[in-house]
Amino acid sequence: GAVVSQHPSWVICKSGTSVKIECRSLDFQATTMFWYRQFPKQSLMLMATSNEGSKATYEQGVEKDKFLINHASLTLSTLTVTSAHPEDSSFYICSAGGEGHEQYFGPGTRLTVT
Amino acid sequence: GDSVTQMEGPVTLSEEACLTINCTYTATGYPSLFWYVQYPGEGLQLLLKATKADDKGSNKGFEATYRKETTSFHLEKGSVQVSDSAVYFCALSGPQGAQKLVFGQGTRLTINP
Repeated sequence: GAVVSQHPSWVICKSGTSVKIECRSLDFQATTMFWYRQFPKQSLMLMATSNEGSKATYEQGVEKDKFLINHASLTLSTLTVTSAHPEDSSFYICSAGGEGHEQYFGPGTRLTVT
Repeated sequence: GDSVTQMEGPVTLSEEACLTINCTYTATGYPSLFWYVQYPGEGLQLLLKATKADDKGSNKGFEATYRKETTSFHLEKGSVQVSDSAVYFCALSGPQGAQKLVFGQGTRLTINP
């Protein structure tokens, strides 16, 4: 149980275009989902907390107009990287909140902006 | 703010060696503490956790004890296997239902046969 999927697993896009990444909890409902960014050989950096039916809460330094988060249902949250630039290339990971403090992580999405 | 500091890697050991990966934290209040593992090509998986001082989390032969006095949560295993090769992350979350996780920088572990 407690499986989280992400789609796509990798994507290459041109500079200036937008990319949408989906995060789904497959066998449980998650009122809270989290979006992280992971640079090579570095730790996960929390970008935002997504609550179903309300606006996401962004961490300091994360541009909310650039990284649009939508949590339309209890099993789906999306992250849209708008007007992507090469510096947005990274590994994006989502997680879904389970019982207590536990989080279940998706496998991640590798974004490369050319 | 809250932070987690992990022993720097990479760490390379031979099979059946003893493992310790150090983790210390800074936090207000009494956080919950976690070790997550990321196997190659996979997402993070919860390895073990402890929610209060002196608790010991354990799983798959790994153990970690929540030490409030030293603000530490070191990961240990008595005899590692090749299949333990992965990146290990120490993390904390706030008390009282706050789920936001703060991660350490990760430690890459490679076990040679």
